[in-house]
Amino acid sequence: DQQVKQNSPSLSVQEGRISILNCDYTNSMFDYFLWYKKYPAEGPTFLISISSIKDKNEDGRFTVFLNKSAKHLSLHIVPSQPGDSAVYFCAADSNYQLIWGAGTKLIIKP
Amino acid sequence: GAGVSQSPSNKVTEKGKDVELRCDPISGHTALYWYRQRLGQGLEFLIYFQGNSAPDKSGLPSDRFSAERTGESVSTLTIQRTQQEDSAVYLCASSPLLAGGGYEQFFGPGTRLTVL
Repeated sequence: DQQVKQNSPSLSVQEGRISILNCDYTNSMFDYFLWYKKYPAEGPTFLISISSIKDKNEDGRFTVFLNKSAKHLSLHIVPSQPGDSAVYFCAADSNYQLIWGAGTKLIIKP
Repeated sequence: GAGVSQSPSNKVTEKGKDVELRCDPISGHTALYWYRQRLGQGLEFLIYFQGNSAPDKSGLPSDRFSAERTGESVSTLTIQRTQQEDSAVYLCASSPLLAGGGYEQFFGPGTRLTVL
């Protein structure tokens, strides 16, 4: 039973447009969420996080939105750039462990 | 270097052989995690070390898998009698585990294991 779900295995977006990556979770006790980015043959790297006391966190081109009532979060990348092409993982903090989604492969088209 | 390092980067082995994978975490990070990622799948938690506490082994898929950590430094993941389904990228991560929760994990580049 997946507690963190990323239902889109892949997403293709035109360069310069907005990329929206979605993540749903089932456990209402989760109170901290993270997004990681992973290039092929490399380990995941931390991108941005959000605490459940907030509904939005912004860092440059990256914004994460949290909707606690819907148990849904999303990562917005605007404008999308070719270097953003990677796999994006959503993760939820559970007692100092991370519960991971399956990832969404983002492809930025020139 | 300042990051998490793993060795070897690639390992090809025959079915039935034992393999040992190594992880050097970032100095000072008290928490260390092992994950694996099979082709086309997400990250699968294997084991978690935190300081001198007993490790959380709840993610280990079978008793062929074991891991050790020396204090707050190097960790080794051992897979005995490897099977083809063990083929995956094995990722190690460390974390400073800041008080109050809310933290990030820093990942190594992974070890790609191929069992023939």
